[in-house]
Amino acid sequence: IVLTQSPGTLSLSPGERATLSCRASQSVANNQLAWYQQKPGQAPRLLIYGASSRATGIPDRFSGSGSGTDFTLTISRLEPEDFAVYYCQQFVRSRPITFGQGTRLETK
Amino acid sequence: EVQLVESGGGLVQPGESLRLSCAATGFTFSSFWMSWVRQAPGKGPERVATIKEDGSDSYYLDSVKGRFTISRDNADSSLYLQMNSLRAEDTAVYYCTRGNWASGYHFDYWGQGTLVTVSS
Repeated sequence: IVLTQSPGTLSLSPGERATLSCRASQSVANNQLAWYQQKPGQAPRLLIYGASSRATGIPDRFSGSGSGTDFTLTISRLEPEDFAVYYCQQFVRSRPITFGQGTRLETK
Repeated sequence: EVQLVESGGGLVQPGESLRLSCAATGFTFSSFWMSWVRQAPGKGPERVATIKEDGSDSYYLDSVKGRFTISRDNADSSLYLQMNSLRAEDTAVYYCTRGNWASGYHFDYWGQGTLVTVSS
């Protein structure tokens, strides 16, 4: 299953709202989709799993939504530390686990 | 606190072998599926291999099948990746990750990564 993330780069200012998209080439059963944040020189960090459940310690300004083939990560009010690369990842039983190519969130 | 610490990366020539290790602390290692995930420069992550909690089964990325072997030692809380017949396209940072089965399978903890460079 191919995951296509858009936009490739998103330029916003602190305090603004960010909306990141992840589209799957086939339906992701049971919304088994996760989102990760990666900062330069660091490992990815789990933000969201099951399309909408926040991982431990993740601020509530991060939210996930969607179903089937279309998923969205929303950051309600951007903080300076939120500027990073974001990846989505799907799990469908008996199919390879795959990640998207990423969306870079940069300061405008 | 969950910690995953990788070691064993380095520079090797095409066709050579390398063994990566991951030391896990802060959780009951024998209760979790574990995976190696790699990330080539400027690319998204890629799941390379996954092993069940008891080591009874494993799953591989198609491009590494027959070349890479994932294994674990639950007594020592360690995860391994034996990489043979390395190719230039295997160049990446390799992360040791813990699997979580809540709402599908995802990677809830990651190590800091170890760099593998395959070049002549």
